[in-house]
Amino acid sequence: EAGVTQFPSHSVIEKGQTVTLRCDPISGHDNLYWYRRVMGKEIKFLLHFVKESKQDESGMPNNRFLAERTGGTYSTLKVQPAELEDSGVYFCASRNRLATDTQYFGPGTRLTVL
Amino acid sequence: AQSVTQPDIHITVSEGASLELRCNYSYGATPYLFWYVQSPGQGLQLLLKYFSGDTLVQGIKGFEAEFKRSQSSFNLRKPSVHWSDAAEYFCAVEFDTDKLIFGTGTRLQVFP
Repeated sequence: EAGVTQFPSHSVIEKGQTVTLRCDPISGHDNLYWYRRVMGKEIKFLLHFVKESKQDESGMPNNRFLAERTGGTYSTLKVQPAELEDSGVYFCASRNRLATDTQYFGPGTRLTVL
Repeated sequence: AQSVTQPDIHITVSEGASLELRCNYSYGATPYLFWYVQSPGQGLQLLLKYFSGDTLVQGIKGFEAEFKRSQSSFNLRKPSVHWSDAAEYFCAVEFDTDKLIFGTGTRLQVFP
């Protein structure tokens, strides 16, 4: 069974540009989460999807961040326009709530904003 | 506010030595408790978890952790560290909010 995959693994952009991160959860997992780790800090929750609906987006930093999960499969996280403080590692996780209480994480996308 | 503390930012041990990584959480209720590990270039891998029952839980790679309710702690242990254990370790908790709260991580360095 394939794990959670994320694309790209690394992105370097300039301030003011737009970047879209993608997450493919484990097949059959209807819960999908985004987290972010800014350098030197803890990993912080951004938002949670149940299927295609946003269950909790309390961790989204501001309206420059837009997450979508069309069709309840993969998810995208768009940052527009990117700022220097958006640099960090963005993790995606998925869970099948009926089968497990464990969130399975992807390898992360390292975003560098110059 | 709910929080997780990992007081050790960086730990260095010799291969074969024992290891204990500390984790404390703040909140009255007992959360779900997790330890994840991130090896260089890899994602977060679950080492072990505690939901209820026996307070000593066994995980992968020879790790174990003990939940102590009185101390709000969930320390990770390994009796003999291997060089391949060098990585960053994260303690995380989940309350009734369906999201994980992480500590800042402990980076483990292993000397031969």
